[in-house]
Amino acid sequence: GENVEQHPSTLSVQEGDSAVIKCTYSDSASNYFPWYKQELGKRPQLIIDIRSNVGEKKDQRIAVTLNKTAKHFSLHITETQPEDSAVYFCAASEGGGTSGTYKYIFGTGTRLKVLA
Amino acid sequence: AAGVIQSPRHLIKEKRETATLKCYPIPRHDTVYWYQQGPGQDPQFLISFYEKMQSDKGSIPDRFSAQQFSDYHSELNMSSLELGDSALYFCASSFVNQPQHFGDGTRLSIL
Repeated sequence: GENVEQHPSTLSVQEGDSAVIKCTYSDSASNYFPWYKQELGKRPQLIIDIRSNVGEKKDQRIAVTLNKTAKHFSLHITETQPEDSAVYFCAASEGGGTSGTYKYIFGTGTRLKVLA
Repeated sequence: AAGVIQSPRHLIKEKRETATLKCYPIPRHDTVYWYQQGPGQDPQFLISFYEKMQSDKGSIPDRFSAQQFSDYHSELNMSSLELGDSALYFCASSFVNQPQHFGDGTRLSIL
């Protein structure tokens, strides 16, 4: 089955600096890669996603890149702000075939701290 | 916009008791997923339903079962509860291959 590794486990940056979180996946059949932000005790919230037919996607200060050959994808946050502090999870989806379901296999998470 | 509704938000049980968690997906979403998240861990996939049929199964213990009803709401039934079952349980819903939207979760504490 799919296995997703995520690094680093913790990341501290100064406000205004950039943050990069990296994930690798094992199953070449995975074709959808979302990123979720989770604050303590709250639900994961989708912040950006990318499908395997795209190499890069950007939404304001957030961008995601995907290298299918190397099976890795990264989250880039520019001009970080204190409210960006949270745990970030990457995930890979194995696809649904005829079942219509796309379960997520999550990485182990990165605790991002943005220091004011 | 309507979100995924989970109930109860908090639940305290003792060992060997049973618990039922409920999930109401976003209207028109046809797929429901259940995840378990232990303290400091990533969400682990338990089970999913597509159009009221079980579609995939993950690391769900045999003591747990789930179903999706005709109105698309889903229930996760947990029996013979153990201390290790203490966790946040999230339900997520989606439409076909669109992103999953998570509910606020049920925090289950086993005493």
